[in-house]
Amino acid sequence: EAGVAQSPRYKIIEKRQSVAFWCNPISGHATLYWYQQILGQGPKLLIQFQNNGVVDDSQLPKDRFSAERLKGVDSTLKIQPAKLEDSAVYLCASSLGRGATTDTQYFGPGTRLTVL
Amino acid sequence: KQEVTQIPAALSVPEGENLVLNCSFTDSAIYNLQWFRQDPGKGLTSLLLIQSSQREQTSGRLNASLDKSSGRSTLYIAASQPGDSATYLCAVKNDYKLSFGAGTTVTVRA
Repeated sequence: EAGVAQSPRYKIIEKRQSVAFWCNPISGHATLYWYQQILGQGPKLLIQFQNNGVVDDSQLPKDRFSAERLKGVDSTLKIQPAKLEDSAVYLCASSLGRGATTDTQYFGPGTRLTVL
Repeated sequence: KQEVTQIPAALSVPEGENLVLNCSFTDSAIYNLQWFRQDPGKGLTSLLLIQSSQREQTSGRLNASLDKSSGRSTLYIAASQPGDSATYLCAVKNDYKLSFGAGTTVTVRA
């Protein structure tokens, strides 16, 4: 079974530029998550999709971050314009989405973003 | 708001020694608790998941305990090996949301 795929793996940009990340979840997984992991911290949930609808985006900085999940499969996360504090690893995860107690999230390798 | 704390932040042990990693959380109304492993440049790999009704889970050399009433979990790794060197993250689930600790970075010296 193929895992969660993410691209690019690494990205370096100047502040105020824009950047986009792509995620392809495990086939059949209804729920998709984007996390931000700053160096030395645990992952923080940015947005959660159930199929192509947003379940939770309470911690997404909506003035600069946006995300979409077209057709309930692939997803893109965009930052425009980027700030220095956006330097982090962006992790995508997916799960079957059937029941809160047993639903296990599977993580992709992440995209490491450096903003100069 | 759920707060998850992991102590110590880093740990270095000689090969063969048993590892004990601690996790504490503030809100005991959890569905489950998971332990993840993260290697440099890699994503997270789930090691063990303990349901709120369970006291422990075991997989090979790994054993995780859960005391929901006191808001604590411990991950034991028996007979550590250099390949166990990684960052170990604890995450608790409330409703549909996972809250992570900052992790414990383990180095096993050959």
